[in-house]
Amino acid sequence: DGGITQSPKYLFRKEGQNVTLSCEQNLNHDAMYWYRQDPGQGLRLIYYSQIVNDFQKGDIAEGYSVSREKKESFPLTVTSAQKNPTAFYLCASSTAGRTGELFFGEGSRLTVL
Amino acid sequence: GENVEQHPSTLSVQEGDSAVIKCTYSDSASNYFPWYKQELGKGPQLIIDIRSNVGEKKDQRIAVTLNKTAKHFSLHITETQPEDSAVYFCAARFYLTTDSWGKLQFGAGTQVVVTP
Repeated sequence: DGGITQSPKYLFRKEGQNVTLSCEQNLNHDAMYWYRQDPGQGLRLIYYSQIVNDFQKGDIAEGYSVSREKKESFPLTVTSAQKNPTAFYLCASSTAGRTGELFFGEGSRLTVL
Repeated sequence: GENVEQHPSTLSVQEGDSAVIKCTYSDSASNYFPWYKQELGKGPQLIIDIRSNVGEKKDQRIAVTLNKTAKHFSLHITETQPEDSAVYFCAARFYLTTDSWGKLQFGAGTQVVVTP
């Protein structure tokens, strides 16, 4: 079955540590996205990529970094510079163009201890 | 900047009753409005969407209406069932001059609880 796989599902991190969240898709989608979800705040865009080896900052990119070396993969690194990293992180992908439907992964919950 | 307001934040309904969630958006150029359903611990799933060239769209018990003049759109769920309990998000696609694809701006979400 085609879909988006995020790992790990749960992750604990000590303050000052970087952590990388994995996102892999086998839908052959050109575009991939990372969103952050906090209670009562909806989904906020962190980074997105419309093509391999290219990505753009979203609304809340500070403290995060990404790479897009392969079409199928879009890992997100939460760096120690992110002041409040505890959140639910969602990866999504879509086909190219203006009306591509977003398909989401199951999410990764990061807790900073 | 781009903004999508969603109301109410929580909605409790009796099984069999209807539920209505309303959203307003700020960018008059927006032309794509999807609705997502998120069950506990899972990622959101698209349940219905509407484009600006139509005013209403139905899919079984779910319908979405769009009023472009007033810049608001609504989700209607009829004959609610316990499995409709979830968080629902509206979204609107905004277009930046530097980005021809646009990006989705999400509302804050509505927690719907359907009681038997």
